[in-house]
Amino acid sequence: GAVVSQHPSRVICKSGTSVKIECRSLDFQATTMFWYRQFPKQSLMLMATSNEGSKATYEQGVEKDKFLINHASLTLSTLTVTSAHPEDSSFYICSASEVGGYTFGSGTRLTVV
Amino acid sequence: GQQLNQSPQSMFIQEGEDVSMNCTSSSIFNTWLWYKQDPGEGPVLLIALYKAGELTSNGRLTAQFGITRKDSFLNISASIPSDVGIYFCAGTLRGAQKLVFGQGTRLTINP
Repeated sequence: GAVVSQHPSRVICKSGTSVKIECRSLDFQATTMFWYRQFPKQSLMLMATSNEGSKATYEQGVEKDKFLINHASLTLSTLTVTSAHPEDSSFYICSASEVGGYTFGSGTRLTVV
Repeated sequence: GQQLNQSPQSMFIQEGEDVSMNCTSSSIFNTWLWYKQDPGEGPVLLIALYKAGELTSNGRLTAQFGITRKDSFLNISASIPSDVGIYFCAGTLRGAQKLVFGQGTRLTINP
């Protein structure tokens, strides 16, 4: 089946620095990928839709200058959390749409100290 | 934003019992998907439904796409310890590509 690889699985960074998270579709091409954020014991909240070769579409309330998304190829989308602060600590998950449904990456646990 | 109402929020059952959970919405959905999420992992697709009235099984799991297109249920028969986790329903609205998620059902199995 379709596989989405997400890296890193865990990252700890200092407040004020930037962190990049990668999401790759391993055996299919994904013109559209999605980025979610999940707080403990809560559901997934869509942050943005990443479109290959064009600008991402952000959900209401998500700062596009803080959460930079780049989808430069059909198999790779990246999310960069810029000038991270402790409140950005969360579980970030990407997904890609393909025939048969939506496949999710294994998530990235970001801790900002 | 658009929400799916998923219930129950949590379930505590004995091993071997059957489980049932459902999702409802006031809007019409084109697809219904059921996922399971283990701690620290991304959701894994269990069953995908594409047609109103569709009933699909995957081993001990059975899910149905409601005839009104506004609801779906997931049943798990003869639960086993590895069924523990959080189950999410998700769907796509007509004309939309992004997934809308339910609040999740946390399943705990007592030995």
